[in-house]
Amino acid sequence: EAGVTQSPRYAVLQEGQAVSFWCDPISGHDTLYWYQQPRDQGPQLLVYFRDEAVIDNSQLPSDRFSAVRPKGTNSTLKIQSAKQGDTATYLCASSFGGHSNERLFFGHGTKLSVL
Amino acid sequence: QQKVQQSPESLSVPEGGMASFNCTSSDRNFQYFWWYRQHSGEGPKALMSIFSDGDKKEGRFTAHLNKASLHVSLHIRDSQPSDSALYFCAASDFGEVIFGKGTHLHVLP
Repeated sequence: EAGVTQSPRYAVLQEGQAVSFWCDPISGHDTLYWYQQPRDQGPQLLVYFRDEAVIDNSQLPSDRFSAVRPKGTNSTLKIQSAKQGDTATYLCASSFGGHSNERLFFGHGTKLSVL
Repeated sequence: QQKVQQSPESLSVPEGGMASFNCTSSDRNFQYFWWYRQHSGEGPKALMSIFSDGDKKEGRFTAHLNKASLHVSLHIRDSQPSDSALYFCAASDFGEVIFGKGTHLHVLP
């Protein structure tokens, strides 16, 4: 079974530049999560979807971050104008059965450095 | 306030020893727990879940949950160098999943 696929693996930007991260979840998983993980810290939830609907994006810095999952499969997270404080690894995870407490399957993440 | 708090921040144990981690949820809605492990350069991988009071054992791993206090612990017996990683407690509320800051485990050969 294919796992969660993320691209790119690494991104290096200057402040003010834009970047997009792409996630392909496990086939059949209805729930998709984006987390931000600063170095040596725990993943912090940014947004999660059930199918194509946003369930909670309260932790997403809405002025610069956006996330979509238009067909309920793949998802894109975009940072419009990156800041040095956005330096972190961005993790995508998926699970089946969004109303249960099933395990999350994570991708390898995209490591972002903002100079 | 962080909803999921973990301790200690870092832990060193000798090979073959017992490693123990602690976690507490401060939100009674988040009472379903998973433990995850993350090796350097990878995403976190689920180790085990615990949803009911008491102990749950899976191989070398034992989790304990006290639902009244929302305290959960994880114990690894016969620790191996390959167990060296970052360990996270995650609490969920039927969809939303919140992680603690993690515990660094170093198993010394």
